[in-house]
Amino acid sequence: EPEVTQTPSHQVTQMGQEVILRCVPISNHLYFYWYRQILGQKVEFLVSFYNNEISEKSEIFDDQFSVERPDGSNFTLKIRSTKLEDSAMYFCASSVGVSRGFYEQYFGPGTRLTVT
Amino acid sequence: AQKVTQAQTEISVVEKEDVTLDCVYETRDTTYYLFWYKQPPSGELVFLIRRNSFDEQNEISGRYSWNFQKSTSSFNFTITASQVVDSAVYFCALSEAFNTDKLIFGTGTRLQVFP
Repeated sequence: EPEVTQTPSHQVTQMGQEVILRCVPISNHLYFYWYRQILGQKVEFLVSFYNNEISEKSEIFDDQFSVERPDGSNFTLKIRSTKLEDSAMYFCASSVGVSRGFYEQYFGPGTRLTVT
Repeated sequence: AQKVTQAQTEISVVEKEDVTLDCVYETRDTTYYLFWYKQPPSGELVFLIRRNSFDEQNEISGRYSWNFQKSTSSFNFTITASQVVDSAVYFCALSEAFNTDKLIFGTGTRLQVFP
């Protein structure tokens, strides 16, 4: 069964460093998402991406964040200068069509980011 | 404003007990979708079910069943004859059908099933 994959599973970085989290969505999916979950809290939407453009972003997704689809398979989330409060589990998701609830979003296993 | 409330932070049961996880949502949209996801200890999010706002039929899938009641804005999830493997955090989520892609998650309910 096709699945969303994410690398690395755990990333430790120092405050102020740049990190890139990588995701490979399901191959025939066209819509991509990033969510984050601070330890013990709820899952929060960060951004959605379609046709090489951001289609929606939350207030969490400020100028420190960026997303890219550098090739036909990868989808990346970059945090330019990490802060302690960026420590969280980051989930990538994809859907075959525009979600709006109609198509379910399939989630990857997550990348745990620890900023020290 | 959209919101999902899961008032039960943690529930503990003994195997074979039935357990119901509550979910209450708020939305101004008339068309929306509701979801349940399971997050086992390994951390991934596993899709369980999606319901649209026009379909209030209850659904059963094996030991899982869902009760959707628009009148009370609730979408509750029942596990019958719980098993240790059901131990996980369960999230209810809402997606409004127009102008947004995002899923709005509740805070989750941690279910512990003891042998």
